[in-house]
Amino acid sequence: EPEVTQTPSHQVTQMGQEVILRCVPISNHLYFYWYRQILGQKVEFLVSFYNNEISEKSEIFDDQFSVERPDGSNFTLKIRSTKLEDSAMYFCASSVRDSPSNYGYTFGSGTRLTVV
Amino acid sequence: AQSVAQPEDQVNVAEGNPLTVKCTYSVSGNPYLFWYVQYPNRGLQFLLKYITGDNLVKGSYGFEAEFNKSQTSFHLKKPSALVSDSALYFCAVRETSGGSYIPTFGRGTSLIVHP
Repeated sequence: EPEVTQTPSHQVTQMGQEVILRCVPISNHLYFYWYRQILGQKVEFLVSFYNNEISEKSEIFDDQFSVERPDGSNFTLKIRSTKLEDSAMYFCASSVRDSPSNYGYTFGSGTRLTVV
Repeated sequence: AQSVAQPEDQVNVAEGNPLTVKCTYSVSGNPYLFWYVQYPNRGLQFLLKYITGDNLVKGSYGFEAEFNKSQTSFHLKKPSALVSDSALYFCAVRETSGGSYIPTFGRGTSLIVHP
């Protein structure tokens, strides 16, 4: 069964450093998403991406965040200058289309980011 | 605005017993409702959804969920729990009309099934 692959599974970084979280969506999917979950809190939507541009973003997704699809297969989330409160599990997801029923979302296993 | 609440951080049940994982939601119109499961070191996997029609929805691995509009609930159930059902379960909701297609997730409920 096709999977969304995320690397690394765990990353530790110092406050103020830049991090890039990587995702390889399912090959025929067209819509890509990043979510995060701070420990013990809700899974929160960050951003959706289609046709090489951001289609929707949440209030969390401020100027410190950016997304890119650099080579047609990878989908990356960059945090420019990490803060302690960026520590969370980051999930990538992809779907064939942005359908009303949403059930086509496939999630990766997540990257646990720890900012020290 | 849409929101979802999972009131229990953890649910413990003995193998063979029925299980219920609770979810309540809030939307301004009609909801689409979803359950996802996350096994250790895996991504969230789709379990089942309510779009329209029968209030009782059957999904993967023997799970089912009942949509109750008056109580704004969508509790996940299984008649007989297995140890292998132990995982993190997420409820999600989105409006059926207007707004975006982005679902709102709850914070998850850890289900522990004891042998």
